[in-house]
Amino acid sequence: AQTVTQSQPEMSVQEAETVTLSCTYDTSESNYYLFWYKQPPSRQMILVIRQEAYKQQNATENRFSVNFQKAAKSFSLKISDSQLGDTAMYFCAFILRGFGNEKLTFGTGTRLTIIP
Amino acid sequence: NAGVTQTPKFQVLKTGQSMTLQCAQDMNHNSMYWYRQDPGMGLRLIYYSASEGTTDKGEVPNGYNVSRLNKREFSLRLESAAPSQTSVYFCASSHRDRGLGEAFFGQGTRLTVV
Repeated sequence: AQTVTQSQPEMSVQEAETVTLSCTYDTSESNYYLFWYKQPPSRQMILVIRQEAYKQQNATENRFSVNFQKAAKSFSLKISDSQLGDTAMYFCAFILRGFGNEKLTFGTGTRLTIIP
Repeated sequence: NAGVTQTPKFQVLKTGQSMTLQCAQDMNHNSMYWYRQDPGMGLRLIYYSASEGTTDKGEVPNGYNVSRLNKREFSLRLESAAPSQTSVYFCASSHRDRGLGEAFFGQGTRLTVV
């Protein structure tokens, strides 16, 4: 079974600073996708960024970027120029591709607080 | 542009009562999921459906049943609610064969069992 581990239950950073959230995962397969989801106080789950395992280039979406280390099975999220609206729970997630029975597996989350 | 619609948004049950959480998606997705979210536990998969007519147990299926009525709808039933089932429940859907696996979520149901 695939597992996803987020070792930082809570983090806080000053507004405009950069913060990195950690995620590791465990799988013996090579074809998969990784995601970071954001959950603000509204409870809505919002996709922040995705990474395809076969792509070596790290994904970037505006102020959000990832550091994908496939050999180390590490997938960290970097938020640059952090804003108050970035305050939320952040979940790392993993899904296998190509088996027909893929299940999306989540980590336990990191609560991020941006301090004004 | 509804996406994933989940009802109800809030519910209070007495121990032993039953209820069904409804979920429907209008994106023609194959895969649908039910998760529960508890503090410090992340989102844990209850049941999963890869296609109409098929369902599969997730990490925490005990005390729940599901039904994939058609491609659009995937319901979660609590036959005899227990206080341990107090949680926030999310339904989600995704394309199994196309796209990049992104899951779309409903707004969640906050369930309290007293």
